[in-house]
Amino acid sequence: GNSVTQMEGPVTLSEEAFLTINCTYTATGYPSLFWYVQYPGEGLQLLLKATKADDKGSNKGFEATYRKETTSFHLEKGSVQVSDSAVYFCALSPYNNNDMRFGAGTRLTVKP
Amino acid sequence: SQTIHQWPATLVQPVGSPLSLECTVEGTSNPNLYWYRQAAGRGLQLLFYSVGIGQISSEVPQNLSASRPQDRQFILSSKKLLLSDSGFYLCAWSVMMNTEAFFGQGTRLTVV
Repeated sequence: GNSVTQMEGPVTLSEEAFLTINCTYTATGYPSLFWYVQYPGEGLQLLLKATKADDKGSNKGFEATYRKETTSFHLEKGSVQVSDSAVYFCALSPYNNNDMRFGAGTRLTVKP
Repeated sequence: SQTIHQWPATLVQPVGSPLSLECTVEGTSNPNLYWYRQAAGRGLQLLFYSVGIGQISSEVPQNLSASRPQDRQFILSSKKLLLSDSGFYLCAWSVMMNTEAFFGQGTRLTVV
């Protein structure tokens, strides 16, 4: 079946540090891939997406590239801010059904 | 523009009591609708999804049920709550397969 595996947290970084959160997936065909962010006590917000191989999604300084050869969609940001502290979820949406799957989430804390 | 409403925001219920959480979507027709549960410090578990009125797919056997009485209304219910039903419940919608989902603000359920 379809599944998403992302690196376990928590991740603690200093402000302006480089961020990488790894995500790999298992799916048939060509799913769409997403990163969501969840701030405390809130629902999930879409951060970025990619719908086909080699697409790069980007938003608010975050980037992720759809790598079909490695079935990966790693999230990166060159310089994190305190306001980036949140839980980040990698997700996939299959091309042929409605079974959207999420990773376990990675908690990021950025310290001043 | 499309919006999703989910209520209540927080709920404290005794063991054995019934549950009804409601979710409505505005600004779109025939959305795919989802209920997820997020246990403390853990990822999202897909509970139910619906592609149309009266059509409910259940992911895991559990103490919960879902109904879709109207096109843009999705209800999560239980006849008798268990302590293990505590968690953060999220409603979401999407336009179709292979696209992103948009989330409500969530309901924090505590069963005591």
